[in-house]
Amino acid sequence: QSALTQPASVSGSPGQSITISCTGTSSDVGGYNYVSWYQQHPGKAPKLMIYDVSNRPSGVSNRFSGSKSGNTASLTISGLQAEDEADYYCSSYTSSSTYVVFGGGTKLTVL
Amino acid sequence: EVQLVQSGAEVKKPGESLKISCKGSGYSFTSYWIGWVRQMPGKGLEWMGIIYPGDSDTRYSPSFQGQVTISADKSISTAYLQWSSLKASDTAMYYCARQESVAGYDYWGQGTLVTVSS
Repeated sequence: QSALTQPASVSGSPGQSITISCTGTSSDVGGYNYVSWYQQHPGKAPKLMIYDVSNRPSGVSNRFSGSKSGNTASLTISGLQAEDEADYYCSSYTSSSTYVVFGGGTKLTVL
Repeated sequence: EVQLVQSGAEVKKPGESLKISCKGSGYSFTSYWIGWVRQMPGKGLEWMGIIYPGDSDTRYSPSFQGQVTISADKSISTAYLQWSSLKASDTAMYYCARQESVAGYDYWGQGTLVTVSS
């Protein structure tokens, strides 16, 4: 069981917007602004899409945005495209001895 | 260009030892933490631990403490992940990644597939 909870799957049609949630506790997501999001295509290494809750690394499309409210962080993808179909993982710093925890991952299907 | 290049796939027997590597280039290797992440077949990402090559400060997830050893040789810009006695359950893809922000890994190696089977 992962420390952070994500929905197993989400889906959307091209052009639509979707949101993936990532729920933790006050010891991780809720307590610190150190939430990141990763995109992973099959057989590929993860790619950083969002860090520090809402910052986009250089080169990442502005269709990807992050936010946080309480113990839940969210990744929103607007203008959904076929190439967005992938697995998405959230991660957070945690004050526990684990230091960093990942969510279980969400499979995004573009219909 | 920042790159992390990992060593190649390994096939080992239970009980054998193994050390895989992650060589950084294109940036100051001693100035960024390097993390290791496990991905078992068909499963999600698991954070294993990190090392600061500048002074070899190391932190482990409790799930991996005592099971693996993370080290680095800053003279050759290389981080390592090693096992003293592999188990079948260690079969997985292992990634190294550069930590840009806490929990934010901006550059990743291509992954090293470790297969442990008798």
